Amino acid sequence: GDSVTQMEGPVTLSEEAFLTINCTYTATGYPSLFWYVQYPGEGLQLLLKATKADDKGSNKGFEATYRKETTSFHLEKGSVQVSDSAVYFCALLPMKTSYDKVIFGPGTSLSVIP
Amino acid sequence: NAGVTQTPKFRILKIGQSMTLQCTQDMNHNYMYWYRQDPGMGLKLIYYSVGAGITDKGEVPNGYNVSRSTTEDFPLRLELAAPSQTSVYFCASSLDTDGYTFGSGTRLTVV
Repeated sequence: GDSVTQMEGPVTLSEEAFLTINCTYTATGYPSLFWYVQYPGEGLQLLLKATKADDKGSNKGFEATYRKETTSFHLEKGSVQVSDSAVYFCALLPMKTSYDKVIFGPGTSLSVIP
Repeated sequence: NAGVTQTPKFRILKIGQSMTLQCTQDMNHNYMYWYRQDPGMGLKLIYYSVGAGITDKGEVPNGYNVSRSTTEDFPLRLELAAPSQTSVYFCASSLDTDGYTFGSGTRLTVV
């Protein structure tokens, strides 16, 4: 069945470091791909999304490119801040033939230290 | 817009008690969901609804019930609470499944 795999955390970085969180997926066809972020004590928020191959989603300095050939959607940011400390979830929505539901990865915890 | 509102934010239940977690959204979204999140784990889908009057089981429905009498409301009922139901519960909604809006969660402890 469809699934999402993320790199295991926790990830600890110094402020202004480069961030990559790996995400790969298994799905038929062309699913939609998402990154959600969960700040401490809050619900998940949609960070960015991509709906077709080679699309790049971007928001708040974060980027991710939909790579069909490698079935990946890695999250990147050039310079992280302490305020980026959160849990990041990769997710996919299967190609829709009838109603279906988003599948979430297990999440990757990021801590950014000053 | 308030988005997705969940109440209560925190609750302690004794084993065997029952309670209802409330969820309401004001975005006229047709799809609504209940998830639970256990420490260090991802999200597990409990129940979902594709519209008023229609509900269906997710991955972990045992011990829970839902109803969807209106587009706005999607309460989750816990009957005979057990320690295994200690978790953080999130309600979410979406329009045609294109990106979810989550509530801020209910932290439930069963003792």
